[in-house]
This record gives sequence, C-alpha cells and structure tokens, in this order.
Amino acid sequence: DIQMTQSPSSLSASVGDRVTITCRASQDITNSLAWYQHKPGKAPKLLLYAASRLESGFPSRFSGSGSGTEYTLTISSLQPEDFATYYCQQYYSTLLTFGGGTKVEIK
Amino acid sequence: QVQLVQSGAEVKKPGASVRVSCKASGYTFTVYYIHWVRQAPGQGPEWMGWINPNSGGTNYAQKFQGRVTITRDTSITTAYMELRTLTSDDTAMYYCARGASGSYYRTFEYWGQGTLVTVSS
Repeated sequence: DIQMTQSPSSLSASVGDRVTITCRASQDITNSLAWYQHKPGKAPKLLLYAASRLESGFPSRFSGSGSGTEYTLTISSLQPEDFATYYCQQYYSTLLTFGGGTKVEIK
Repeated sequence: QVQLVQSGAEVKKPGASVRVSCKASGYTFTVYYIHWVRQAPGQGPEWMGWINPNSGGTNYAQKFQGRVTITRDTSITTAYMELRTLTSDDTAMYYCARGASGSYYRTFEYWGQGTLVTVSS
C-alpha cells in the first residue's frame, strides 16, 4: 500500500495569508495526486488533480505542485470560504489511498 | 447537473449487514465509474472499491474483500454498497463518488451527500 502523509495536521491562519500544505507518498506516484476540500456537513470537493490541474469552479489562488513523492497545495491568499479540511489522494496504485487531512482554521 | 443522492442513515447491530444506495442523475450512468469511500470519526477517508456501471466489473480494497459487494442497477441508475459482518469499527460516514473521465477515473469528481452508518449493540 502507498502511505500518504500530510503535514501539518492542522494550522491556524488569517485571511490573506499564504498557506502551504504538504503531502508525502511512501513511493513515487508520478503526479497521480488529487486534492480535496471538505467542509463540515458537506461532501468533499475535488480541488486539483494530476498534482497541479485546477478543477473548474475553484479560483486561481489554489495551486498544486510537486513530483515524485512530495507534493504541495498552496493557497496564495486565504479567504474566509477556504477554511476547511484538505485531503490528498494518490491514484497511482490500484489501492487508492488518502492522507490524514489538514484542517485550516481561522487564527 | 450531476447529482448523487444516497439513502438515509442506518443503525445496525454488530454482525449485521447494511446496504447503502446511490441514485445518480444528470449524466449518462454507464460512462463513469462509481466509487465508495468511507470516513470514520476523526480519521481520513478510506476507499472501499469501485464499480464500472457499464460492465458491472468491480474492484475492492483488499481490506474489504469478502465483506463488501458493490452492485448497480442501470435501469434506475443506482449503485449499491453492501457491507457484511459489521463491527463498531465500521461506524462511519459512507460516500458514493463518481469517478472523473478518462484516465482520471480514480479521482472523485462528484460526491453523494453521505450516509451515516452507526454500528452499536
């Protein structure tokens, strides 16, 4: 199984801050990585796929990068509607696995 | 618009089975894979398996092999997930999710609203 490790598990930030979340895979996943945004009481939403391709409907302040085993999600200027939990997910292997999540909270 | 509407919350006793349904609308049901993902309290999501609605072919996470069955009824554009021999560790929110198109079929583009399954004696 490919283990996905996210860091930090939570963070506090202010509106306007730049936020970076890291996701590390236990082996090379060749950019087969998706990110999801999950707000309480709602279904998760696909945010990025192929490590850096932004899903339609999300603003350009969200971006993804990385390669090999290390990937990042960056929010360039945090907005009130961005407070949520973010998960990474690899789809390189037959067994699909998620990271443990990063909760972005208001400072 | 694409919608996935799941059946309501369930309370089950240990050892029982549960079946959750996922009614799809707003797209051609047989074109996109349907996945099942669960999330236990305080934990990250966990993928359980997928079904190809066109062929009925399935693929399950090894952890659930022998205990889960995913099926579909194309006449009513509905997918089902049955989980057997429930324990308290199966208490979780269960989601169906539609795979994205083409080579991204193993990402989850649209999600149902979730079905809470509680296992308690």
